[in-house]
Amino acid sequence: KQEVTQIPAALSVPEGENLVLNCSFTDSAIYNLQWFRQDPGKGLTSLLLIQSSQREQTSGRLNASLDKSSGRSTLYIAASQPGDSATYLCAVQGGSEKLVFGKGTKLTVNP
Amino acid sequence: NAGVMQNPRHLVRRRGQEARLRCSPMKGHSHVYWYRQLPEEGLKFMVYLQKENIIDESGMPKERFSAEFPKEGPSILRIQQVVRGDSAAYFCASSPDRTGGNQPQHFGDGTRLSIL
Repeated sequence: KQEVTQIPAALSVPEGENLVLNCSFTDSAIYNLQWFRQDPGKGLTSLLLIQSSQREQTSGRLNASLDKSSGRSTLYIAASQPGDSATYLCAVQGGSEKLVFGKGTKLTVNP
Repeated sequence: NAGVMQNPRHLVRRRGQEARLRCSPMKGHSHVYWYRQLPEEGLKFMVYLQKENIIDESGMPKERFSAEFPKEGPSILRIQQVVRGDSAAYFCASSPDRTGGNQPQHFGDGTRLSIL
């Protein structure tokens, strides 16, 4: 059974700092890994999708890496801004189409 | 381009009533997924449907819960005889085809269900 863990559960940083969010999963047989952003009371916004054959994806100030063999992914946020404050969710997709989510990291960026 | 549309955004029911949650997928998407987010918990998969077919319902509670995606109209998640433990945010996602690792699932804003 696939399990996804995100560390830390919460993170508070000053504006401008670079930061790393961590995600680990127990079963390396995945099709892809996605990072999402969730704002309070809102739905999920897909940030980055890394296919199992890829090592990383970049979008603007965001960079996500994937090490499938060790069951780890990181989301790197450069030059953090107060608008980046949200909960960041990691999810993996195996052969059954369903996504398995971690519980998320709640990020607060202080002005 | 409208995204995944869920309604209502908020739904309040008394114990024992029925709750109906609706999801209209993105235009051109024929695959729908329902997930539930309990307070302080991560999102949990419930069911995966294509038009007129349930493909995977391994995450659905065995009783009181059902889902459909008819040929015409939105997908419906139905909860009969609701209990306090059903209070949660219910999210719908859609994709144009079996994602096969190539395409993300697109999520709606969710329905917040509160049971009095």
